[in-house]
Amino acid sequence: NAGVTQTPKFQVLKTGQSMTLQCAQDMNHNSMYWYRQDPGMGLRLIYYSASEGTTDKGEVPNGYNVSRLNKREFSLRLESAAPSQTSVYFCASSEAGRVDGYTFGSGTRLTVV
Amino acid sequence: RKEVEQDPGPFNVPEGATVAFNCTYSNSASQSFFWYRQDCRKEPKLLMSVYSSGNEDGRFTAQLNRASQYISLLIRDSKLSDSATYLCVVPFSGGYNKLIFGAGTRLAVHP
Repeated sequence: NAGVTQTPKFQVLKTGQSMTLQCAQDMNHNSMYWYRQDPGMGLRLIYYSASEGTTDKGEVPNGYNVSRLNKREFSLRLESAAPSQTSVYFCASSEAGRVDGYTFGSGTRLTVV
Repeated sequence: RKEVEQDPGPFNVPEGATVAFNCTYSNSASQSFFWYRQDCRKEPKLLMSVYSSGNEDGRFTAQLNRASQYISLLIRDSKLSDSATYLCVVPFSGGYNKLIFGAGTRLAVHP
């Protein structure tokens, strides 16, 4: 019953450092997403992967890269972290073609100092 | 105009009260709509889906007004456990099963 698992849950980075946020789902979903959530703003889509082997930019992709490693895993990489990337990051998955009922991971709280 | 707009609140109501939130959306072609609930420092979770004029689930009623492009969420007999942020969600107008999230309306139910 894991659903969507994100690691790490918390991270503090210095400006310029790099890191990868990991996401894995065990529901056999085809589509996976990365969102960021900032105070007073809705979740904003960073990147998504409609199916294994494909990735596309969302609303706010600058400063990020993604890898759909296999059907289960979708990672988000910050190559050179900036304070503006301080946020809560959520990974989600859904069945292909279904917009109802994303399943979200519990989030990664990232602070860049 | 933002694609999805909500009153941020907070709505502070006593237990047992009825409270309603509105959400406006810009994409007139949207066919489906959703309300997600997000507890403090937790992930969003689907509360209700709305595909036609509305949907009802216990104390929760969602209504859709396509002509005016707004969705409402009505909560009757509020419980302390209803305290959360309610996110209005609309499929992305650009296509493939992506969702646009409103910034949320915060509800605080007090004894």
